[in-house]
Amino acid sequence: AQSVTQLDSQVPVFEEAPVELRCNYSSSVSVYLFWYVQYPNQGLQLLLKYLSGSTLVKGINGFEAEFNKSQTSFHLRKPSVHISDTAEYFCAVSDPTSGTYKYIFGTGTRLKVLA
Amino acid sequence: GEEVAQTPKHLVRGEGQKAKLYCAPIKGHSYVFWYQQVLKNEFKFLISFQNENVFDETGMPKERFSAKCLPNSPCSLEIQATKLEDSAVYFCASSQSWDRMNTEAFFGQGTRLTVV
Repeated sequence: AQSVTQLDSQVPVFEEAPVELRCNYSSSVSVYLFWYVQYPNQGLQLLLKYLSGSTLVKGINGFEAEFNKSQTSFHLRKPSVHISDTAEYFCAVSDPTSGTYKYIFGTGTRLKVLA
Repeated sequence: GEEVAQTPKHLVRGEGQKAKLYCAPIKGHSYVFWYQQVLKNEFKFLISFQNENVFDETGMPKERFSAKCLPNSPCSLEIQATKLEDSAVYFCASSQSWDRMNTEAFFGQGTRLTVV
């Protein structure tokens, strides 16, 4: 069964510094990959997704992620963070061959941007 | 509507009482998903629907949980005889389809269920 690992439960970073949030998934079969952000007491908002094609995916709010099939990774990056980026970030996988369409989520990474 | 609407935002139930949660998917979306978020960060898939038909119920606890998506009504998730461990935030999500153009789930704000 698919699993998603987000090794960093918390990432503190100073404002305007770059950040990378790591995500690894378990299977090397074809997958769809997603990054969602959750602000306090809110639902999940899609930042970006990888379905196929170019391995570098650009999303909203200046975020981007790179799909690396050999490393089974999909790390999220931002070159310069803002205080408003403080939130919980979730990586998710969907297996298009399973026919179920459900997401398997990682346990999230709390990004805390410090002034 | 243009967003997934979940009601109520908060629900408090005594152990053993029934809880019923509602979700109105985005208009035109064929798929509805329910997820349970426990311990703040752990998401568990419960069930999905394609229109009014159960699509995947592999995550549903067999005994106390049930869900429906009926035509012209919000979808619902019902928990009979709630237990303390059912305390969680329940998220509903909808998707237009699941082809390469539209593979994305839109999430509601969630319903926080507290069982006391």
